[in-house]
Amino acid sequence: QLQLQESGPGLVKPSETLSLACSVSGDSISSSSYYWGWIRQPPGRGLEWIANLYYGGTSYYNPSLKSRVTLSVNTSKNQFSLKLSSVTAADTAVYYCASGLRITPWALGDWGQGTLVTVSS
Amino acid sequence: QSALTQPASVSGSPGQSITISCTGTSSDVGGYDYVSWYQQHPGKAPKLMIYEVAHRPSGVSNRFSGSKSGKTASLTISGLQAEDEADYFCSSYTSSATVVFGGGTRLTVL
Repeated sequence: QLQLQESGPGLVKPSETLSLACSVSGDSISSSSYYWGWIRQPPGRGLEWIANLYYGGTSYYNPSLKSRVTLSVNTSKNQFSLKLSSVTAADTAVYYCASGLRITPWALGDWGQGTLVTVSS
Repeated sequence: QSALTQPASVSGSPGQSITISCTGTSSDVGGYDYVSWYQQHPGKAPKLMIYEVAHRPSGVSNRFSGSKSGKTASLTISGLQAEDEADYFCSSYTSSATVVFGGGTRLTVL
């Protein structure tokens, strides 16, 4: 079982870029056993999938967000990151990072605690 | 991509069984056996309860079971307990190589 922890600013101004990192412990971010994901949840609402990242492989994106999303991996820090550009108030949400096993794709078994990001001037 | 359809709320008494439905299309639920269910308590992160329609991760109670018929997946909780009161979300892989979630169902244990 992995432990994941999100970090980043809790307040972002409209039109700016939201940047979050997810620190992973319990295995290497470059492990071939896992893939990595981002999900968000606006206050009082449901879950919205953002993207999945396979280290050394393909990334998959929510088409409604794809043009604004950038994913990256930092192996030296054992982290993966999310950047969401040109944010608006509609991007205010709790952002979760998560992991899944490659042998059971499309199911996220371990989650971070989530971090609230508010978009406001 | 449109969200999967779940009832907004369900309720049941302790010891009873309840079923939560999750309806999609032939491009998601109906086309693939990659349906998952997540439990979320207030202020907490979601927890994976069922993956690939009917498989339980290690540590999840066997009171939770999943199934699928056509374009509708279902989560059944038997022997309802107070601790089961939570929000439940389904998700599915789609033909566009994306993931779509349901709108969520609030389970109330009476």
